[in-house]
Amino acid sequence: GAVVSQHPSWVICKSGTSVKIECRSLDFQATTMFWYRQFPKQSLMLMATSNEGSKATYEQGVEKDKFLINHASLTLSTLTVTSAHPEDSSFYICSARYSRSTDTQYFGPGTRLTVL
Amino acid sequence: QQQVKQSPQSLIVQKGGISIINCAYENTAFDYFPWYQQFPGKGPALLIAIRPDVSEKKEGRFTISFNKSAKQFSLHIMDSQPGDSATYFCAARGSTPLVFGKGTRLSVIA
Repeated sequence: GAVVSQHPSWVICKSGTSVKIECRSLDFQATTMFWYRQFPKQSLMLMATSNEGSKATYEQGVEKDKFLINHASLTLSTLTVTSAHPEDSSFYICSARYSRSTDTQYFGPGTRLTVL
Repeated sequence: QQQVKQSPQSLIVQKGGISIINCAYENTAFDYFPWYQQFPGKGPALLIAIRPDVSEKKEGRFTISFNKSAKQFSLHIMDSQPGDSATYFCAARGSTPLVFGKGTRLSVIA
């Protein structure tokens, strides 16, 4: 199956700093990438959808100025959590799909963010 | 607004038994229904998926049963093993991104 990687796998940062998380599709070109957030023992909540070369579409309630998403190439998307606060601590998971007509979404291993 | 309702929240099954997880949806525009397996601290992995033009799909020990008229679908894990202990999520999509159920924590005990 297709492989999606994330880096870093975990990060600890101080309140007020910014953190960048990378998501890469290793063996396919992802026209669409998705960013999810998951709190302990809860389901995945979609934060935003990004298509290569265009602006991300954010879900209702997700602050686009706080969670900056860049999908600059067909294999790389980044999520930057700006001015992080303890309530931003969560498990962030990216997902990629290789074409709009394809159903299958492949998920990355996730990034555990802890904001002190 | 939860568009996919999943039950039960947790499930304990004896080794060798059948694990059954159910999901129901309301949006008739959904046309793709995957199941994902997630281990603690890991991302979800696609297990099996079905489209509404078939009523059942089997892959190894995993089977999806789909009832279009009832707008329900379920995952059956045959001969459940301790290694199957994980959280399982059903999901659905149409023209919108995947919507996930709340998850079922499965524990398979020896």
